[in-house]
Amino acid sequence: SAVISQKPSRDICQRGTSLTIQCQVDSQVTMMFWYRQQPGQSLTLIATANQGSEATYESGFVIDKFPISRPNLTFSTLTVSNMSPEDSSIYLCSARTASYNEQFFGPGTRLTVL
Amino acid sequence: GDSVTQMEGPVTLSEEACLTINCTYTATGYPSLFWYVQYPGEGLQLLLKATKADDKGSNKGFEATYRKETTSFHLEKGSVQVSDSAVYFCALSWRSGNTGKLIFGQGTTLQVKP
Repeated sequence: SAVISQKPSRDICQRGTSLTIQCQVDSQVTMMFWYRQQPGQSLTLIATANQGSEATYESGFVIDKFPISRPNLTFSTLTVSNMSPEDSSIYLCSARTASYNEQFFGPGTRLTVL
Repeated sequence: GDSVTQMEGPVTLSEEACLTINCTYTATGYPSLFWYVQYPGEGLQLLLKATKADDKGSNKGFEATYRKETTSFHLEKGSVQVSDSAVYFCALSWRSGNTGKLIFGQGTTLQVKP
């Protein structure tokens, strides 16, 4: 299995600012993903974080709003840019290993934008 | 496109009652199927999975059988406990090709009363 940590666990931010969320995995993984869970909703994939190249974004999500980095096999960051109250959500990092046909999730970052 | 549909909640049961949460999927081919659980204030945990037709996943007293003829993966437990109160997500993914991303159902909230 893989153990995933995220920082910060929660934050309250002002409109128009940006927040960078960090995701660290305790072992090398093949794929890393970022999901958003809006209040009372299911999870929606934002993008796949590709190691050493640009992330692959899902429909409705753009790099300017959600820039993602993945400098190595165990670490990724998601930035929520120019935030508005609509960005208030839980942001979850997940990872998939080569040996397991399953994804592991971090504890999430609970973001509130005022 | 691929999708997952779960029965709507919330589901409220008394302790020791039987649980069934329905899940059906739409996909081309035979994806892997998963149940994830999200306890209050926490991230997602994998509860069980099945990778091919007629497989039965089981964990912590929960079971689900991959039924390709009905494209279903219903979650069952014979006797629920208060500690089972959580949100349950059905999801599908692909073992190869694709991007490995998970597609989630909308989630079903379970509340178990003493």
